[in-house]
Amino acid sequence: GEDVEQSLFLSVREGDSSVINCTYTDSSSTYLYWYKQEPGAGLQLLTYIFSNMDMKQDQRLTVLLNKKDKHLSLRIADTQTGDSAIYFCAESIGGATNKLIFGTGTLLAVQP
Amino acid sequence: DAGVIQSPRHEVTEMGQEVTLRCKPISGHNSLFWYRQTMMRGLELLIYFNNNVPIDDSGMPEDRFSAKMPNASFSTLKIQPSEPRDSAVYFCASSRGAQNTEAFFGQGTRLTVV
Repeated sequence: GEDVEQSLFLSVREGDSSVINCTYTDSSSTYLYWYKQEPGAGLQLLTYIFSNMDMKQDQRLTVLLNKKDKHLSLRIADTQTGDSAIYFCAESIGGATNKLIFGTGTLLAVQP
Repeated sequence: DAGVIQSPRHEVTEMGQEVTLRCKPISGHNSLFWYRQTMMRGLELLIYFNNNVPIDDSGMPEDRFSAKMPNASFSTLKIQPSEPRDSAVYFCASSRGAQNTEAFFGQGTRLTVV
């Protein structure tokens, strides 16, 4: 089945690192994504990782993938107040068509 | 490119009325997705199209919901009759359709059914 779960809320202080976790169930997922949603806006892609990779780093963002446990995480280094948003992980399923199943979203609150 | 364009941005309607949400995908994208976002259920995939053909509509909640994509540049999501529990933000997204391609989201339509 297709199910993606995340913790609902995370609060950190400005300058600290944030780690947002995600678990998924479909082992056939080929790509996994992190999207960011700011208030009143649509979702924007932050980064993605191919399922045969363990880690991907992109500036302040580090994605870790444990395929055995079907666990994905997003680490944001030096978290800023502008990082406050809802973060969604998503898995890509379905052969040639990029069907995206999203997690429940994690609200990241950055305290100054 | 202007991105994915949805209209209207906000819609308030009375229970029982027909509601039509519209989406213009990014030119050249051949996959289009309709999502619904609520506090209780998060972001749900309702239906997606590839090359204007509905591929998976298993997320459409009821027969009251229908979606069409008459051509590559336009899609509609219709609710008839609408009910208060349909109140949500409805997002349209498009992508190039192959694996590992970014899905670009519209700004969403906030629907309130009273």
